[in-house]
Amino acid sequence: QVRLQESGPGLVKPSETLSLTCSVSGDSIYNNYWGWFRQPPGKKLEWIGWIYSSGDVNYNPSLKSRVTISVDTSKDQYSLKLTSMSAADTAVYYCARYFNARSRHYVDVWGNGTTVSVSS
Amino acid sequence: EVVLTQSPATLSLSPGERATLSCRASQSVANHLAWYQQKPGQAPRLLIYDASNRATGIPARFSGSGSGTDFTLTISSLEPEDFAVYFCQQRNTAPETFGQGTKVEVK
Repeated sequence: QVRLQESGPGLVKPSETLSLTCSVSGDSIYNNYWGWFRQPPGKKLEWIGWIYSSGDVNYNPSLKSRVTISVDTSKDQYSLKLTSMSAADTAVYYCARYFNARSRHYVDVWGNGTTVSVSS
Repeated sequence: EVVLTQSPATLSLSPGERATLSCRASQSVANHLAWYQQKPGQAPRLLIYDASNRATGIPARFSGSGSGTDFTLTISSLEPEDFAVYFCQQRNTAPETFGQGTKVEVK
């Protein structure tokens, strides 16, 4: 059974950088797409970006200037860095796995999510 | 980006009743649409992908239909565990986007 677990700080100060890690178990990190999403309180889910095991990435244009996603295949982990955090970045952050539906890739496994608050 | 609008915002039904949820896209997404279920404090669960394909382990009472801009998720007979929030996601055009969700609550 595939499991994803987010880890990182629950509180970040304004202007600082958020660093989150997703640990993958039950599946190989190779040959898969892995994503980050977030959901601000009371708002819809937002896609942040994805990374392929080779290191290819794609980011949401609305966040592209502040986002970096990287993968560490030796540890079966991938990470998210989001710079210049503000109150608008307060959200539950999810990591997720995409599966290949042939036509497109869809998310079929999600982590439990980690709440990140931005406050001084 | 593609805006997905779901209706209604809340659906009040009783167990055993049929639920019909709508998701409308601001431009065509072909059939590249998924539906998810989310319960409070839990991660989303994939129900339907490519508009009408049930994900692994999803009961047959869940069905999806539609293409282009109009999509429907139908729950044929609500079970107690089906009361949750449902949202749609399009994967046709980057960036992938989500609807705001429909809450199915007990009447």
